[in-house]
Order: sequence, then C-alpha cells, then structure tokens
Amino acid sequence: GENVEQHPSTLSVQEGDSAVIKCTYSDSASNYFPWYKQELGKRPQLIIDIRSNVGEKKDQRIAVTLNKTAKHFSLHITETQPEDSAVYFCAASRGHTGNQFYFGTGTSLTVIP
Amino acid sequence: KAGVTQTPRYLIKTRGQQVTLSCSPISGHRSVSWYQQTPGQGLQFLFEYFSETQRNKGNFPGRFSGRQFSNSRSEMNVSTLELGDSALYLCASSLDRRGDEQFFGPGTRLTVL
Repeated sequence: GENVEQHPSTLSVQEGDSAVIKCTYSDSASNYFPWYKQELGKRPQLIIDIRSNVGEKKDQRIAVTLNKTAKHFSLHITETQPEDSAVYFCAASRGHTGNQFYFGTGTSLTVIP
Repeated sequence: KAGVTQTPRYLIKTRGQQVTLSCSPISGHRSVSWYQQTPGQGLQFLFEYFSETQRNKGNFPGRFSGRQFSNSRSEMNVSTLELGDSALYLCASSLDRRGDEQFFGPGTRLTVL
C-alpha cells in the first residue's frame, strides 16, 4: 500500500517568515494530494490540494508543489502569522479508485509573534 | 449546508465492551470514510463506504466494522474493546469516489479504561 512520510514533525518560525513542510509518497498511482490544517481540538480542514497533472498551485499565502518523478510534494506558507500555528497533514490517494487517503504523521507548526 | 456531524462526541468504555459511532455526511455526499487518529500514528484509514457498500478497507482487525444506510449515514462498530482503541475517530464525507475533497466531522473521542 501507499506510504506517506512527512517532515519535519515540528517547526517553529518567526512571524513573517516562511514555512515549508515536505512529504514523500511511495505509490506512483497516487494522483491527488491534499493538505489539511488541524487546530487544537478541532477537525482537520482542507487548505489546499493538488492533482498529479499540475506541478504547482497557489492560494494567497499558501502554495503546494508536486514532483511526480521524485514522488514528493511540499507545502509553502509565506508571511506566516500566529493563526497559522496548527498541525498540518499531507495526504495521498489514488483519486478515481476511491477515497482511501493515506496521511503523513503531521507537522506541528508554531509561529512565534 | 450543514457540515459533517458525529455522535456521540465523547465516550468512555471499559475493556471488552463494544461501541457504535455514528456519522451523518453533508447532504448529497455519498462517500463516507472513517479514520482513527492517535498522537503516535496520526490519521489511519479504517474503511470507506459508498452506496451502502464497503469499498476500501484499511489494515485494522475484524473487530472494527461499519455500515452505511440508504441516506448515506454511516456507523462504525468496535467490538471487544482494547486499551489501544482509545483514539479520536473521525469520519469524512465526499461527494463521490473520484478523489474528491473530503470534509471531516468533529470526531468522537473514545476512551477505553
């Protein structure tokens, strides 16, 4: 089955700096890669996603890049703010074969004011 | 639209008992997936239901089972509870089975004593 690895497990940045979280996957058939943000005591919420036919996607301060050859994808948050502090999860799925998502183990991001 | 709802929100059980958790997806969504979230393992896929049929299953013992009703509501059951079953159980709904965005419920926090 699919194996998703996520690094780093914890990340601290100064407010205004950028944060980068990286994930690798093992199944070359995976073609949908969402990122979720989970604040303490709350449900995971989708913040951005990318499909395998796209190399990069951006939404305001958040961007995701995908390298299919190397089987890795990354989340980039620019101009970080204290409210960006949360746990971020990457995930991978085969898309058209169903909604079985494999998640990374999470990155706890702390933005220091 | 109302979001994904889960009941109950909290449960305390003792070893050997069984438990049933309920998930109501977003109206119109036909796919429901279940995940177990623990601090050490992150989010682990349990199973996916679509059109009242289990479509995918994760690597969990047979004590974990589920079902889906004609209105897409889903239940999961855990029999013969073990201490290690203590976790946050999340369900997520999707419109279809094509790798669509998953919307998570608030989760059920299960504690096994």
